[in-house]
Amino acid sequence: GQNIDQPTEMTATEGAIVQINCTYQTSGFNGLFWYQQHAGEAPTFLSYNVLDGLEEKGRFSSFLSRSKGYSYLLLKELQMKDSASYLCAAMDSNYQLIWGAGTKLIIKP
Amino acid sequence: ETGVTQTPRHLVMGMTNKKSLKCEQHLGHNAMYWYKQSAKKPLELMFVYSLEERVENNSVPSRFSPECPNSSHLFLHLHTLQPEDSALYLCASSQEYRGQGADTQYFGPGTRLTVL
Repeated sequence: GQNIDQPTEMTATEGAIVQINCTYQTSGFNGLFWYQQHAGEAPTFLSYNVLDGLEEKGRFSSFLSRSKGYSYLLLKELQMKDSASYLCAAMDSNYQLIWGAGTKLIIKP
Repeated sequence: ETGVTQTPRHLVMGMTNKKSLKCEQHLGHNAMYWYKQSAKKPLELMFVYSLEERVENNSVPSRFSPECPNSSHLFLHLHTLQPEDSALYLCASSQEYRGQGADTQYFGPGTRLTVL
């Protein structure tokens, strides 16, 4: 079966760095997405990786290892506004998105 | 940038009511999606429309009925719902359906539905 695993909840301190991991098992692979969702708001697109390696966008970076079925989202210089849920989704060979349940990130001062 | 709006934002209905959720996208996309989001569960894809034609219907009960009158608008008609249907219903759009890379989905803020 197809599956996405990510931690349910993480806590980090303002100004610090946090890494949110995601492992996936899909029938084929056509890329991995990360979304951010603040409570009561729309999920917003953060990143898309299809090749191995690290892609950086400001304070946020996303990494992919296709051979390991593994990705992570790295958030640097954490701010209180980064408190949100982070959704990982892998695209299978039929271009269907397989979603994780999301990681709730709590930032403490 | 979302460019996807949904109304109403909150809805409380009884099990015998009939209501409709509305979604509008201002991005010029060709594909639109309905998802159900329940607490601590992955997003569940309900329906997909591509160029106004329904292309996915993931075993959704018939008490949910989608309608796509044009490429910018999507509705979800609700009738005889059950309390377990209470959830956040999200609408999304993408440039193409099943286009690698171009398939980034952009979401609306959702309708929080409570069925009493």
